[in-house]
Amino acid sequence: AQSVTQLGSHVSVSEGALVLLRCNYSSSVPPYLFWYVQYPNQGLQLLLKYTTGATLVKGINGFEAEFKKSETSFHLTKPSAHMSDAAEYFCAVSDEGNYGQNFVFGPGTRLSVLP
Amino acid sequence: EAGVTQSPTHLIKTRGQQATLRCSPISGHTSVYWYQQALGLGLQFLLWYDEGEERNRGNFPPRFSGRQFPNYSSELNVNALELEDSALYLCASRRGGEVSYGYTFGSGTRLTVV
Repeated sequence: AQSVTQLGSHVSVSEGALVLLRCNYSSSVPPYLFWYVQYPNQGLQLLLKYTTGATLVKGINGFEAEFKKSETSFHLTKPSAHMSDAAEYFCAVSDEGNYGQNFVFGPGTRLSVLP
Repeated sequence: EAGVTQSPTHLIKTRGQQATLRCSPISGHTSVYWYQQALGLGLQFLLWYDEGEERNRGNFPPRFSGRQFPNYSSELNVNALELEDSALYLCASRRGGEVSYGYTFGSGTRLTVV
């Protein structure tokens, strides 16, 4: 069965500092990996995804993530945090072998950006 | 294109009542998923509908049910409401068979049970 862990339920960074949100997954077959962002009282918005090909994936709002198969990781980074990045971030995994059954979401990491 | 739309935005019900939540997927999307997001509990998978059929359900009691209509819109019904059913209910849709595209989420229905 697939699973997703996100290290740190709450991460605080200063404005302008590096953002690093960690995601590790388990999957019996090559996975599809996703990062979603949720702003207060809103639904989830897709930030970026890895399906096949290049392991460094660029998304919206300056975020990127790197798929590392050997580490079963898909960490999310942004070189310089902005106040508007404060939100909840969810990592998710799915795969063709589990066709459509559902995505498995991590527990989420709340990002706070300090002035 | 229009996104996933959910209605109502907010819903207040009394314990024991029934709640009905609605979701319209993006045009061309045939799969609809429902998630419950209770405070501090993350996203809990509720139901998956595809082509009008229930394909899978999460670990929720039978009083959580739903259906998908011929136009692929969906309805989530929660009977005999309990206080712990208070949560944000999110609907998501995707094209059938295209897992790699990911989900598109609606903004959710905030259900409050008093």
